[in-house]
Amino acid sequence: NAGVTQTPKFQVLKTGQSMTLQCAQDMNHEYMSWYRQDPGMGLRLIHYSVGAGITDQGEVPNGYNVSRSTTEDFPLRLLSAAPSQTSVYFCATYTRDNPAYGYTFGSGTRLTVV
Amino acid sequence: AQSVTQLGSHVSVSEGALVLLRCNYSSSVPPYLFWYVQYPNQGLQLLLKYTSAATLVKGINGFEAEFKKSETSFHLTKPSAHMSDAAEYFCAVSFFQGAQKLVFGQGTRLTINP
Repeated sequence: NAGVTQTPKFQVLKTGQSMTLQCAQDMNHEYMSWYRQDPGMGLRLIHYSVGAGITDQGEVPNGYNVSRSTTEDFPLRLLSAAPSQTSVYFCATYTRDNPAYGYTFGSGTRLTVV
Repeated sequence: AQSVTQLGSHVSVSEGALVLLRCNYSSSVPPYLFWYVQYPNQGLQLLLKYTSAATLVKGINGFEAEFKKSETSFHLTKPSAHMSDAAEYFCAVSFFQGAQKLVFGQGTRLTINP
Protein backbone atom coordinates (compact mmCIF):
# COMPACT_ATOMS: atom_id res chain seq x y z
CA ASN A 1 0.00 0.00 0.00
CA ALA A 2 1.88 3.07 -1.27
CA GLY A 3 -0.46 5.75 0.14
CA VAL A 4 0.19 9.08 -1.58
CA THR A 5 2.94 9.18 -4.21
CA GLN A 6 4.34 12.44 -5.55
CA THR A 7 6.65 12.76 -8.52
CA PRO A 8 9.15 14.15 -9.15
CA LYS A 9 10.86 14.73 -5.79
CA PHE A 10 13.03 17.55 -7.14
CA GLN A 11 12.73 19.79 -10.18
CA VAL A 12 14.49 22.87 -11.52
CA LEU A 13 12.66 24.95 -14.11
CA LYS A 14 13.50 28.02 -16.07
CA THR A 15 11.13 30.97 -15.93
CA GLY A 16 8.34 30.48 -18.46
CA GLN A 17 8.62 26.72 -18.68
CA SER A 18 5.66 24.50 -17.94
CA MET A 19 5.48 21.30 -15.99
CA THR A 20 3.11 18.96 -14.17
CA LEU A 21 3.53 17.74 -10.64
CA GLN A 22 2.02 14.32 -10.22
CA CYS A 23 0.04 13.03 -7.25
CA ALA A 24 -1.36 9.50 -7.11
CA GLN A 25 -3.13 7.70 -4.29
CA ASP A 26 -4.25 4.13 -3.84
CA MET A 27 -6.50 4.57 -0.80
CA ASN A 28 -9.69 5.48 -2.69
CA HIS A 29 -9.86 8.79 -0.82
CA GLU A 30 -12.42 11.12 -2.37
CA TYR A 31 -10.67 14.33 -1.37
CA MET A 32 -7.31 15.43 -2.76
CA SER A 33 -5.53 18.72 -2.37
CA TRP A 34 -2.33 20.58 -3.16
CA TYR A 35 -0.41 22.75 -0.72
CA ARG A 36 2.70 24.82 -1.06
CA GLN A 37 5.11 25.32 1.81
CA ASP A 38 7.16 28.50 2.13
CA PRO A 39 9.34 29.56 5.07
CA GLY A 40 7.40 31.36 7.77
CA MET A 41 4.06 30.84 6.05
CA GLY A 42 3.18 27.27 6.88
CA LEU A 43 1.31 25.33 4.22
CA ARG A 44 -1.19 27.11 2.02
CA LEU A 45 -3.91 25.45 0.02
CA ILE A 46 -3.61 25.86 -3.76
CA HIS A 47 -6.43 23.73 -5.21
CA TYR A 48 -8.54 20.85 -4.02
CA SER A 49 -10.94 18.26 -5.35
CA VAL A 50 -13.82 16.51 -3.60
CA GLY A 51 -14.13 13.84 -6.26
CA ALA A 52 -13.48 12.96 -9.87
CA GLY A 53 -14.54 15.82 -12.14
CA ILE A 54 -14.84 18.35 -9.30
CA THR A 55 -12.15 20.88 -8.42
CA ASP A 56 -12.07 24.21 -6.63
CA GLN A 57 -9.61 26.94 -5.72
CA GLY A 58 -7.87 27.28 -2.41
CA GLU A 59 -6.05 30.20 -0.85
CA VAL A 60 -3.31 30.68 -3.49
CA PRO A 61 -4.54 29.33 -6.86
CA ASN A 62 -3.01 31.86 -9.26
CA GLY A 63 -0.55 30.35 -11.72
CA TYR A 64 -1.73 26.79 -11.16
CA ASN A 65 -4.24 24.54 -12.89
CA VAL A 66 -5.67 21.22 -11.81
CA SER A 67 -8.01 18.55 -13.11
CA ARG A 68 -9.35 15.32 -11.63
CA SER A 69 -10.33 12.72 -14.19
CA THR A 70 -9.93 9.73 -11.87
CA THR A 71 -10.17 9.11 -8.15
CA GLU A 72 -6.50 8.14 -8.03
CA ASP A 73 -4.77 11.07 -9.72
CA PHE A 74 -4.68 14.82 -9.11
CA PRO A 75 -1.97 16.54 -11.18
CA LEU A 76 -0.93 20.14 -10.59
CA ARG A 77 0.08 22.11 -13.68
CA LEU A 78 2.28 25.16 -13.89
CA LEU A 79 1.67 26.68 -17.31
CA SER A 80 4.37 29.36 -17.16
CA ALA A 81 6.66 29.00 -14.17
CA ALA A 82 7.74 32.07 -12.21
CA PRO A 83 10.43 32.43 -9.51
CA SER A 84 7.63 33.12 -7.00
CA GLN A 85 6.54 29.51 -7.49
CA THR A 86 9.77 28.21 -6.00
CA SER A 87 8.48 26.17 -3.10
CA VAL A 88 7.90 22.72 -1.71
CA TYR A 89 4.62 21.22 -2.87
CA PHE A 90 2.63 18.65 -0.94
CA CYS A 91 -0.31 16.59 -2.03
CA ALA A 92 -2.76 15.50 0.67
CA THR A 93 -5.77 13.21 0.67
CA TYR A 94 -8.53 12.36 3.09
CA THR A 95 -11.74 10.41 3.32
CA ARG A 96 -14.84 11.18 5.36
CA ASP A 97 -14.90 7.50 6.24
CA ASN A 98 -12.14 8.33 8.72
CA PRO A 99 -13.81 9.62 11.88
CA ALA A 100 -10.94 11.99 12.56
CA TYR A 101 -10.98 13.36 9.02
CA GLY A 102 -7.36 12.32 8.87
CA TYR A 103 -5.17 13.61 6.14
CA THR A 104 -2.45 11.64 4.40
CA PHE A 105 0.44 13.60 2.90
CA GLY A 106 2.84 12.76 0.14
CA SER A 107 6.58 13.23 0.63
CA GLY A 108 6.67 16.48 -1.35
CA THR A 109 8.14 17.94 -4.53
CA ARG A 110 10.84 20.58 -4.17
CA LEU A 111 10.57 22.99 -7.10
CA THR A 112 13.08 25.70 -7.97
CA VAL A 113 12.32 28.22 -10.70
CA VAL A 114 15.35 30.16 -11.96
CA ALA B 1 -12.77 32.77 8.81
CA GLN B 2 -10.93 29.86 10.32
CA SER B 3 -7.28 30.50 11.16
CA VAL B 4 -4.40 29.16 13.21
CA THR B 5 -1.73 31.17 14.99
CA GLN B 6 1.43 29.64 16.34
CA LEU B 7 3.20 31.87 18.83
CA GLY B 8 6.92 31.85 18.21
CA SER B 9 8.46 30.92 14.89
CA HIS B 10 11.50 29.54 16.70
CA VAL B 11 11.69 27.87 20.12
CA SER B 12 14.92 26.71 21.71
CA VAL B 13 15.10 24.45 24.78
CA SER B 14 17.77 22.43 26.52
CA GLU B 15 17.80 18.66 26.33
CA GLY B 16 15.67 17.33 29.19
CA ALA B 17 13.68 20.55 29.55
CA LEU B 18 9.95 21.03 29.02
CA VAL B 19 8.80 21.64 25.46
CA LEU B 20 5.84 23.99 25.02
CA LEU B 21 4.68 25.00 21.55
CA ARG B 22 1.71 27.32 21.46
CA CYS B 23 -1.23 27.18 19.08
CA ASN B 24 -4.39 29.27 19.04
CA TYR B 25 -7.18 28.81 16.55
CA SER B 26 -10.20 30.65 15.31
CA SER B 27 -13.15 28.62 14.10
CA SER B 28 -16.85 29.32 13.78
CA VAL B 29 -17.65 25.62 13.55
CA PRO B 30 -16.51 22.72 15.75
CA PRO B 31 -12.94 22.05 14.71
CA TYR B 32 -10.71 19.08 14.51
CA LEU B 33 -7.18 20.06 15.51
CA PHE B 34 -3.88 18.49 14.54
CA TRP B 35 -0.20 18.77 15.25
CA TYR B 36 2.21 17.68 12.54
CA VAL B 37 5.98 17.36 12.69
CA GLN B 38 8.36 17.81 9.79
CA TYR B 39 11.95 16.65 10.01
CA PRO B 40 14.48 18.22 7.64
CA ASN B 41 13.81 17.44 3.98
CA GLN B 42 10.91 15.17 4.83
CA GLY B 43 7.12 15.28 4.59
CA LEU B 44 4.59 15.86 7.34
CA GLN B 45 3.99 13.27 10.03
CA LEU B 46 0.94 13.34 12.26
CA LEU B 47 1.85 13.77 15.93
CA LEU B 48 -1.63 13.85 17.42
CA LYS B 49 -5.18 14.97 16.78
CA TYR B 50 -8.21 16.28 18.67
CA THR B 51 -11.55 15.03 17.39
CA SER B 52 -14.02 16.19 20.08
CA ALA B 53 -13.42 13.22 22.40
CA ALA B 54 -10.96 13.64 25.31
CA THR B 55 -9.58 17.15 25.64
CA LEU B 56 -6.13 15.87 26.60
CA VAL B 57 -4.67 14.09 23.63
CA LYS B 58 -1.59 11.91 23.69
CA GLY B 59 0.49 11.44 20.57
CA ILE B 60 3.64 9.79 19.41
CA ASN B 61 7.13 10.35 20.81
CA GLY B 62 5.84 11.46 24.23
CA PHE B 63 4.00 14.54 23.01
CA GLU B 64 0.58 15.59 24.19
CA ALA B 65 -1.77 18.51 23.69
CA GLU B 66 -4.76 19.89 25.55
CA PHE B 67 -7.79 21.36 23.84
CA LYS B 68 -9.10 24.38 25.74
CA LYS B 69 -12.24 25.72 24.15
CA SER B 70 -12.46 28.76 26.44
CA GLU B 71 -8.98 29.82 25.41
CA THR B 72 -9.27 28.55 21.80
CA SER B 73 -5.91 26.90 22.32
CA PHE B 74 -4.28 23.58 21.50
CA HIS B 75 -0.76 23.84 22.92
CA LEU B 76 1.72 21.01 22.39
CA THR B 77 3.90 19.81 25.27
CA LYS B 78 6.54 17.24 26.07
CA PRO B 79 7.93 16.90 29.61
CA SER B 80 11.52 16.20 28.63
CA ALA B 81 13.06 17.24 25.32
CA HIS B 82 15.29 14.90 23.36
CA MET B 83 17.77 15.83 20.68
CA SER B 84 15.68 13.87 18.17
CA ASP B 85 12.75 16.26 18.74
CA ALA B 86 14.50 18.98 16.73
CA ALA B 87 12.15 19.65 13.82
CA GLU B 88 9.47 22.01 12.60
CA TYR B 89 6.01 21.67 14.11
CA PHE B 90 2.74 22.71 12.52
CA CYS B 91 -0.63 23.18 14.15
CA ALA B 92 -3.64 22.80 11.85
CA VAL B 93 -7.42 23.10 12.06
CA SER B 94 -9.78 21.01 9.98
CA PHE B 95 -13.37 22.00 9.38
CA PHE B 96 -16.18 21.49 6.91
CA GLN B 97 -17.45 24.57 5.11
CA GLY B 98 -18.89 23.55 1.77
CA ALA B 99 -15.96 21.20 1.47
CA GLN B 100 -13.38 19.87 3.86
CA LYS B 101 -10.62 22.38 4.58
CA LEU B 102 -7.34 22.11 6.46
CA VAL B 103 -5.66 25.33 7.53
CA PHE B 104 -2.12 25.42 8.90
CA GLY B 105 -0.30 27.71 11.26
CA GLN B 106 2.97 29.28 10.24
CA GLY B 107 5.08 26.62 11.93
CA THR B 108 7.49 26.61 14.88
CA ARG B 109 11.04 25.44 14.51
CA LEU B 110 12.18 23.62 17.64
CA THR B 111 15.88 23.55 18.46
CA ILE B 112 17.29 21.35 21.21
CA ASN B 113 20.47 22.48 22.95
CA PRO B 114 22.77 19.80 24.41
